[in-house]
Amino acid sequence: DIVMTQSPDSLAVSLGERATINCKSSQSILYSSNSKIYLSWFQQKSGQPPKLLFSWAFTRESGVPDRFSASGSGTDFTLTISSLQAEDVAVYYCHQYYSVPYTFGQGTRLEIK
Amino acid sequence: QAQLRQSGPGLVKPSQTLSLTCDISGDIVSSRSAAWNWIRQSPSRGLEWLGRIYYRSEWYDSYAESVKGRISVTADTSKNQFSLHLNFATPEDTAVYYCARDTGRVLDSWGQGSLVTVSS
Repeated sequence: DIVMTQSPDSLAVSLGERATINCKSSQSILYSSNSKIYLSWFQQKSGQPPKLLFSWAFTRESGVPDRFSASGSGTDFTLTISSLQAEDVAVYYCHQYYSVPYTFGQGTRLEIK
Repeated sequence: QAQLRQSGPGLVKPSQTLSLTCDISGDIVSSRSAAWNWIRQSPSRGLEWLGRIYYRSEWYDSYAESVKGRISVTADTSKNQFSLHLNFATPEDTAVYYCARDTGRVLDSWGQGSLVTVSS
Protein backbone atom coordinates (compact mmCIF):
# COMPACT_ATOMS: atom_id res chain seq x y z
CA ASP A 1 0.00 0.00 0.00
CA ILE A 2 1.11 3.57 -0.64
CA VAL A 3 1.57 5.41 2.65
CA MET A 4 0.77 9.11 2.73
CA THR A 5 2.47 11.05 5.53
CA GLN A 6 1.51 14.60 6.35
CA SER A 7 3.34 17.19 8.39
CA PRO A 8 2.71 18.80 10.71
CA ASP A 9 -0.13 17.01 12.50
CA SER A 10 -1.46 20.37 13.66
CA LEU A 11 -0.76 23.96 12.84
CA ALA A 12 -1.79 27.28 14.37
CA VAL A 13 -1.49 30.34 12.15
CA SER A 14 -2.54 33.95 12.65
CA LEU A 15 -5.27 35.40 10.50
CA GLY A 16 -3.82 36.78 7.28
CA GLU A 17 -0.64 34.71 7.57
CA ARG A 18 0.54 31.83 5.41
CA ALA A 19 -0.20 28.20 6.25
CA THR A 20 1.79 25.37 4.68
CA ILE A 21 0.93 21.68 4.88
CA ASN A 22 3.21 18.98 3.56
CA CYS A 23 2.46 15.50 2.25
CA LYS A 24 4.88 12.75 1.31
CA SER A 25 4.02 9.58 -0.55
CA SER A 26 5.95 6.36 0.09
CA GLN A 27 6.38 5.83 -3.63
CA SER A 28 5.86 7.73 -6.84
CA ILE A 29 2.27 8.55 -7.69
CA LEU A 30 3.16 9.90 -11.11
CA TYR A 31 1.71 7.82 -13.92
CA SER A 32 4.35 8.04 -16.62
CA SER A 33 2.03 7.24 -19.53
CA ASN A 34 -0.01 10.40 -19.02
CA SER A 35 2.38 12.45 -16.83
CA LYS A 36 -0.35 12.94 -14.24
CA ILE A 37 0.16 12.93 -10.49
CA TYR A 38 -2.60 10.97 -8.80
CA LEU A 39 -2.95 13.23 -5.74
CA SER A 40 -5.86 15.15 -4.25
CA TRP A 41 -6.22 17.55 -1.35
CA PHE A 42 -9.35 17.65 0.79
CA GLN A 43 -10.66 20.04 3.42
CA GLN A 44 -12.88 18.66 6.17
CA LYS A 45 -14.79 20.89 8.53
CA SER A 46 -16.34 19.58 11.71
CA GLY A 47 -19.34 17.33 11.07
CA GLN A 48 -18.99 17.46 7.28
CA PRO A 49 -17.64 15.09 4.64
CA PRO A 50 -14.31 15.92 3.04
CA LYS A 51 -14.47 18.57 0.34
CA LEU A 52 -12.26 18.25 -2.72
CA LEU A 53 -9.91 21.21 -3.10
CA PHE A 54 -7.37 19.97 -5.67
CA SER A 55 -7.11 17.00 -7.98
CA TRP A 56 -4.20 15.85 -10.17
CA ALA A 57 -1.93 17.52 -7.60
CA PHE A 58 -2.44 21.08 -8.88
CA THR A 59 -5.93 21.44 -10.39
CA ARG A 60 -8.03 23.70 -8.17
CA GLU A 61 -11.70 22.76 -8.01
CA SER A 62 -14.31 25.28 -9.05
CA GLY A 63 -15.20 27.63 -6.21
CA VAL A 64 -12.01 27.09 -4.22
CA PRO A 65 -10.51 30.49 -3.37
CA ASP A 66 -7.25 31.33 -5.07
CA ARG A 67 -5.54 31.85 -1.71
CA PHE A 68 -5.30 28.05 -1.81
CA SER A 69 -2.49 26.65 -3.95
CA ALA A 70 -0.88 23.26 -4.39
CA SER A 71 2.60 22.34 -5.50
CA GLY A 72 5.10 19.53 -5.45
CA SER A 73 6.82 16.86 -7.46
CA GLY A 74 8.19 13.38 -7.06
CA THR A 75 6.90 12.20 -3.74
CA ASP A 76 6.66 15.55 -1.92
CA PHE A 77 3.65 17.81 -2.13
CA THR A 78 2.48 21.00 -0.46
CA LEU A 79 -0.81 22.75 0.15
CA THR A 80 -0.48 26.46 0.89
CA ILE A 81 -3.01 28.97 2.12
CA SER A 82 -1.51 32.35 1.37
CA SER A 83 -3.59 34.44 3.76
CA LEU A 84 -5.49 32.47 6.38
CA GLN A 85 -9.15 33.29 6.86
CA ALA A 86 -11.35 32.21 9.76
CA GLU A 87 -13.37 29.92 7.49
CA ASP A 88 -10.22 27.93 6.64
CA VAL A 89 -10.18 26.28 10.08
CA ALA A 90 -10.46 22.59 9.23
CA VAL A 91 -8.54 19.36 8.92
CA TYR A 92 -6.73 18.94 5.61
CA TYR A 93 -5.95 15.60 3.97
CA CYS A 94 -3.85 14.51 1.04
CA HIS A 95 -5.01 11.42 -0.85
CA GLN A 96 -3.48 9.19 -3.49
CA TYR A 97 -5.56 7.47 -6.12
CA TYR A 98 -2.65 6.04 -8.11
CA SER A 99 -3.39 2.53 -6.95
CA VAL A 100 -5.86 0.52 -4.93
CA PRO A 101 -6.15 0.62 -1.99
CA TYR A 102 -6.60 4.35 -2.18
CA THR A 103 -4.99 5.91 0.87
CA PHE A 104 -5.11 9.17 2.78
CA GLY A 105 -2.71 11.11 4.92
CA GLN A 106 -3.43 11.22 8.63
CA GLY A 107 -4.65 14.80 8.40
CA THR A 108 -3.36 18.21 9.47
CA ARG A 109 -5.50 20.22 11.86
CA LEU A 110 -5.34 23.93 11.06
CA GLU A 111 -6.32 26.43 13.73
CA ILE A 112 -6.18 30.15 14.30
CA LYS A 113 -3.36 31.40 16.53
CA GLN B 1 -21.39 16.88 -9.31
CA ALA B 2 -23.58 14.03 -8.22
CA GLN B 3 -25.63 14.15 -5.04
CA LEU B 4 -25.31 11.14 -2.76
CA ARG B 5 -27.68 10.40 0.10
CA GLN B 6 -26.85 7.66 2.58
CA SER B 7 -29.20 5.61 4.71
CA GLY B 8 -28.98 2.70 7.09
CA PRO B 9 -29.01 1.77 10.77
CA GLY B 10 -26.79 3.64 13.18
CA LEU B 11 -26.42 0.73 15.57
CA VAL B 12 -25.33 -2.78 14.69
CA LYS B 13 -24.78 -5.67 17.08
CA PRO B 14 -21.42 -7.48 17.05
CA SER B 15 -21.27 -10.40 14.59
CA GLN B 16 -24.16 -8.98 12.57
CA THR B 17 -23.97 -7.38 9.13
CA LEU B 18 -23.43 -3.65 8.76
CA SER B 19 -25.39 -2.46 5.74
CA LEU B 20 -25.64 1.02 4.24
CA THR B 21 -27.20 2.31 1.04
CA CYS B 22 -26.25 5.31 -1.07
CA ASP B 23 -28.89 6.86 -3.33
CA ILE B 24 -27.54 8.66 -6.38
CA SER B 25 -28.93 11.71 -8.13
CA GLY B 26 -27.26 13.62 -10.92
CA ASP B 27 -25.55 10.50 -12.27
CA ILE B 28 -26.31 6.84 -12.84
CA VAL B 29 -24.75 3.90 -11.03
CA SER B 30 -24.06 2.17 -14.36
CA SER B 31 -22.13 5.15 -15.70
CA ARG B 32 -19.08 4.04 -17.65
CA SER B 33 -17.07 7.03 -16.41
CA ALA B 34 -17.71 6.76 -12.65
CA ALA B 35 -16.99 4.38 -9.82
CA TRP B 36 -18.80 4.14 -6.51
CA ASN B 37 -16.81 3.93 -3.31
CA TRP B 38 -17.23 3.35 0.40
CA ILE B 39 -14.85 5.06 2.82
CA ARG B 40 -14.92 5.14 6.59
CA GLN B 41 -13.40 7.44 9.17
CA SER B 42 -12.53 6.74 12.77
CA PRO B 43 -10.14 8.34 15.27
CA SER B 44 -7.98 5.21 15.32
CA ARG B 45 -7.82 4.50 11.56
CA GLY B 46 -8.35 7.93 9.99
CA LEU B 47 -9.87 7.92 6.51
CA GLU B 48 -9.89 4.36 5.21
CA TRP B 49 -10.98 3.38 1.72
CA LEU B 50 -13.00 0.15 1.86
CA GLY B 51 -14.03 -0.74 -1.66
CA ARG B 52 -15.71 0.27 -4.89
CA ILE B 53 -17.86 -0.95 -7.72
CA TYR B 54 -18.06 0.24 -11.29
CA TYR B 55 -19.51 -0.71 -14.65
CA ARG B 56 -17.48 -1.01 -17.84
CA SER B 57 -19.63 -3.30 -20.02
CA GLU B 58 -19.69 -5.57 -16.98
CA TRP B 59 -19.48 -4.99 -13.25
CA TYR B 60 -16.15 -4.85 -11.43
CA ASP B 61 -15.36 -4.45 -7.76
CA SER B 62 -12.29 -4.12 -5.58
CA TYR B 63 -11.78 -4.13 -1.84
CA ALA B 64 -9.27 -3.23 0.83
CA GLU B 65 -7.35 -6.16 2.24
CA SER B 66 -8.31 -5.09 5.76
CA VAL B 67 -11.94 -6.03 5.12
CA LYS B 68 -11.67 -8.46 2.21
CA GLY B 69 -13.71 -11.56 2.87
CA ARG B 70 -16.23 -9.62 4.97
CA ILE B 71 -17.23 -6.90 2.52
CA SER B 72 -19.35 -6.66 -0.55
CA VAL B 73 -20.39 -3.57 -2.50
CA THR B 74 -23.40 -4.03 -4.74
CA ALA B 75 -25.27 -1.87 -7.23
CA ASP B 76 -28.99 -1.69 -7.96
CA THR B 77 -29.62 -0.08 -11.34
CA SER B 78 -33.41 -0.07 -10.90
CA LYS B 79 -33.08 2.15 -7.81
CA ASN B 80 -29.92 3.96 -8.94
CA GLN B 81 -28.12 3.16 -5.71
CA PHE B 82 -25.25 1.18 -4.35
CA SER B 83 -24.78 -0.55 -1.02
CA LEU B 84 -22.16 -1.64 1.47
CA HIS B 85 -22.44 -4.91 3.35
CA LEU B 86 -19.84 -5.66 6.02
CA ASN B 87 -20.29 -9.04 7.65
CA PHE B 88 -19.32 -10.14 11.14
CA ALA B 89 -19.12 -6.59 12.45
CA THR B 90 -16.94 -5.90 15.48
CA PRO B 91 -16.59 -2.79 17.67
CA GLU B 92 -13.51 -1.91 15.56
CA ASP B 93 -15.91 -1.27 12.66
CA THR B 94 -17.47 1.64 14.55
CA ALA B 95 -16.90 4.66 12.34
CA VAL B 96 -18.46 7.33 10.19
CA TYR B 97 -19.09 5.74 6.81
CA TYR B 98 -19.14 7.73 3.57
CA CYS B 99 -20.18 6.81 0.08
CA ALA B 100 -18.35 8.68 -2.67
CA ARG B 101 -18.23 8.87 -6.43
CA ASP B 102 -15.00 8.94 -8.31
CA THR B 103 -14.66 10.10 -11.89
CA GLY B 104 -11.32 9.25 -13.38
CA ARG B 105 -10.49 8.12 -9.83
CA VAL B 106 -11.00 11.61 -8.37
CA LEU B 107 -13.35 11.46 -5.37
CA ASP B 108 -15.51 14.41 -6.35
CA SER B 109 -18.84 13.75 -4.66
CA TRP B 110 -19.45 12.47 -1.13
CA GLY B 111 -22.45 11.44 0.88
CA GLN B 112 -23.29 13.19 4.12
CA GLY B 113 -21.75 10.47 6.29
CA SER B 114 -23.37 7.89 8.56
CA LEU B 115 -22.17 7.15 12.08
CA VAL B 116 -22.42 3.42 12.66
CA THR B 117 -21.78 2.05 16.12
CA VAL B 118 -21.14 -1.64 16.63
CA SER B 119 -22.23 -2.51 20.15
CA SER B 120 -24.44 -4.94 21.99
